[in-house]
Amino acid sequence: DAGVTQSPTHLIKTRGQHVTLRCSPISGHKSVSWYQQVLGQGPQFIFQYYEKEERGRGNFPDRFSARQFPNYSSELNVNALLLGDSALYLCASSLGTSDYNEQFFGPGTRLTVL
Amino acid sequence: DAKTTQPPSMDCAEGRAANLPCNHSTISGNEYVYWYRQIHSQGPQYIIHGLKNNETNEMASLIITEDRKSSTLILPHATLRDTAVYYCIVRPGGSSNTGKLIFGQGTTLQVKP
Repeated sequence: DAGVTQSPTHLIKTRGQHVTLRCSPISGHKSVSWYQQVLGQGPQFIFQYYEKEERGRGNFPDRFSARQFPNYSSELNVNALLLGDSALYLCASSLGTSDYNEQFFGPGTRLTVL
Repeated sequence: DAKTTQPPSMDCAEGRAANLPCNHSTISGNEYVYWYRQIHSQGPQYIIHGLKNNETNEMASLIITEDRKSSTLILPHATLRDTAVYYCIVRPGGSSNTGKLIFGQGTTLQVKP
């Protein structure tokens, strides 16, 4: 079975641009979460979506937005990119949102902002 | 959200058991303890989780103290491929089921030949 897939794997942007990152969850999983991992730090929660609705939001500015589609795939959008947005962006999927639904992570998208 | 404390780094000899400690003294009664690991340049990988009782699966064992204020992840026979950053996470429980995982700095485990 295919795991969580993310695209693109690597991306280089310049300050002020916007970027769209994509995630396809494991088949049957209805929840997708996004995390940002800056070099040397643990992943930081950005958003969770379940059944196309936002179920949680981390402490990130409004430049970050996301959505989930009817097929449960998801997009993370970041506008007006800053140098500090350079990070590994991770997507995780789970069956639902309860405590005992383990999350499966994708390989991530490495974003570099110049 | 309960906070966890882990040592920043540990070494382990190949073939020996690796015991990774985690303190979570503010854990509440309905919060689970989760362990993930992240091998360099990959996404985090789920290892195991538990609430009160000790748990074991094909990857590891999780020992939770009776007062639930600390736990230990045990890799029974560490291999070089177990070299990774190990994260101990207390999962928000109850009505706040957002699925949010709060990662700390984790423990970098170096398995040596």
